[in-house]
Amino acid sequence: GQQVMQIPQYQHVQEGEDFTTYCNSSTTLSNIQWYKQRPGGHPVFLIQLVKSGEVKKQKRLTFQFGEAKKNSSLHITATQTTDVGTYFCAGMDSSYKLIFGSGTRLLVRP
Amino acid sequence: DSGVTQTPKHLITATGQRVTLRCSPRSGDLSVYWYQQSLDQGLQFLIQYYNGEERAKGNILERFSAQQFPDLHSELNLSSLELGDSALYFCASSAKGGVGEKLFFGSGTQLSVL
Repeated sequence: GQQVMQIPQYQHVQEGEDFTTYCNSSTTLSNIQWYKQRPGGHPVFLIQLVKSGEVKKQKRLTFQFGEAKKNSSLHITATQTTDVGTYFCAGMDSSYKLIFGSGTRLLVRP
Repeated sequence: DSGVTQTPKHLITATGQRVTLRCSPRSGDLSVYWYQQSLDQGLQFLIQYYNGEERAKGNILERFSAQQFPDLHSELNLSSLELGDSALYFCASSAKGGVGEKLFFGSGTQLSVL
């Protein structure tokens, strides 16, 4: 079945540094979604990418969908302590299962 | 507030017991998803329902079962509980459960099996 992998598993950065998490799927995705889960919280939808090579920005966050629609990345510029949490990518397979990646936990040192 | 309600928030029980987790989706959403999140783990897809019918199934154990009722709320039943079933169980909902719909998650039920 479809597998979605994310790296790194953890990232500890100094406030102000940039952060990137990468997501790779074993199969071509029709779209990819990104979610953020704050410590002790529940996943919250951030964005969806649909087109090959698509790039979307939300303030300091930049999301990319690969040309082959099998990989994606999330880049945060100049991290802040409010960025702390676990970032998940998720892709839906042909049988309607929304499969989440393993997540990247971001820790930010103030 | 996502609009998805899960009860109870916490559940402590013993091995071998059976529990029921309840989820009410956002108003108007027809599809419900169940995910399991173990400590420091990702979100494992269990099962999805759309308008009362099972739509997709993940690696859900035979000891686990779920259903979605006519009023669209859903219940996840876990039986013959084992220590390894301790986890955070999330319910999520979406409008129709189709490709490209974003999920709204509830706050989860923290299950502790002692």
